[in-house]
Amino acid sequence: AQSVTQPDIHITVSEGASLELRCNYSYGATPYLFWYVQSPGQGLQLLLKYFSGDTLVQGIKGFEAEFKRSQSSFNLRKPSVHWSDAAEYFCAVGARGGGNKLTFGTGTQLKVEL
Amino acid sequence: GAGVSQSPSNKVTEKGKDVELRCDPISGHTALYWYRQRLGQGLEFLIYFQGNSAPDKSGLPSDRFSAERTGESVSTLTIQRTQQEDSAVYLCASTSQRRGPTDTIYFGEGSWLTVV
Repeated sequence: AQSVTQPDIHITVSEGASLELRCNYSYGATPYLFWYVQSPGQGLQLLLKYFSGDTLVQGIKGFEAEFKRSQSSFNLRKPSVHWSDAAEYFCAVGARGGGNKLTFGTGTQLKVEL
Repeated sequence: GAGVSQSPSNKVTEKGKDVELRCDPISGHTALYWYRQRLGQGLEFLIYFQGNSAPDKSGLPSDRFSAERTGESVSTLTIQRTQQEDSAVYLCASTSQRRGPTDTIYFGEGSWLTVV
């Protein structure tokens, strides 16, 4: 069975600083990988997804993530954080051929200091 | 509707009572999911409906939990004899799945359940 680890529970960055949120997965083959953002009072919103091809994936709101098979990682990055990026971020993995069930990490809470 | 709609948005219930949570998926979406999110934890998969296929109930934590879906429309998640550990946000999501598992999954805002 697949699993996801997000080692950082909380991260605080200054507005304008760069951001990297870590995600490691466990799966026997190449998985489907996703990053979702959950803002207060809102549902989860898909930021980006990786299925195949180019390992650097661009998403919405200026986010990108890089799939590294050798490290079983799919870290989320943003070169310059805005105060509105403060939210909780979830990494998720889906199994190929396993329906559309996603396994989520425990989330990273991002705080942005002005 | 424009998005996945869930009701109630908030529910406080006494321990031992039954609760029903409703999900109205995006029109035309054949697949529907229920997830649970406990405070400070990730999302736990509960159940998955796809068209007329038998649902994947592998994530339901106990026989107190059940869910139904009529065709490709509304789904109801029922929790019987609620316990305090059932307190969580219950998230519903749907997808068209026209292209298989690569379709985007859209989440509702969740139903916050508090068992006192």
